[in-house]
Amino acid sequence: QSVLTQPPSASGTPGQRVTISCSGSTSNIGSETVNWYQHLPGTAPKLLIYSNNQRPSGVPDRFSGSKSGTSASLAISGLQSEDEADYYCAAWDDSLNGVVFGGGTKLTVL
Amino acid sequence: QVQLVESGGGVVQPGRSLRLSCAASGFTFNNYAVHWVRQAPGKGLEWVAVISYDGSKEYYADSVKGRFTISRDNSKNTLYLQMNGLRADDTAVYYCAKSIFRRSVTTNPDYWGQGSLVTVSS
Repeated sequence: QSVLTQPPSASGTPGQRVTISCSGSTSNIGSETVNWYQHLPGTAPKLLIYSNNQRPSGVPDRFSGSKSGTSASLAISGLQSEDEADYYCAAWDDSLNGVVFGGGTKLTVL
Repeated sequence: QVQLVESGGGVVQPGRSLRLSCAASGFTFNNYAVHWVRQAPGKGLEWVAVISYDGSKEYYADSVKGRFTISRDNSKNTLYLQMNGLRADDTAVYYCAKSIFRRSVTTNPDYWGQGSLVTVSS
């Protein structure tokens, strides 16, 4: 059981917009910033969004993040086949004194 | 560019020990906290531990507290994870990952290594 809650799966067709939610509590998302990662099996996870809504250089602006209260979301617009991957949210937890991850959302591009 | 290369994984019997290493390059290692994160087969990412930039602070997940020890050698730009009393549910790919912000231990990772597989089995 993950501390942060994500839907296990999401899907969309090429060109569509998809959003992935991440729900937490006051000790993590409610008081700390959220990161989002893209992970393909057998590879290193890639940072997509940091500090709730900031994109590292090289990440397309099709990816955007937002946060409100104890929830966050990742939006992917103009969906492409190469976006098919697992997506994780993460935040520092002040009560657990550690990073907490969501359970991951498997994105399928139909 | 930032590079993190893990080593030391392998097959180990339950109850035995193993030490993972992570060689860092492409950034000022002694300015950043570093994490270990693992992924068990078919499961999601699980944070394991973090150590501050100067080694003065360490935090652990409850699942490994008392069994695993994170350490670093800033003179060698290397991070370590000493794993004792290994159990079958410690089987996972172990990633080292650099923290985003300088000199802060309570921040999430940005760059990750490719991972090292640890299999605990008799």
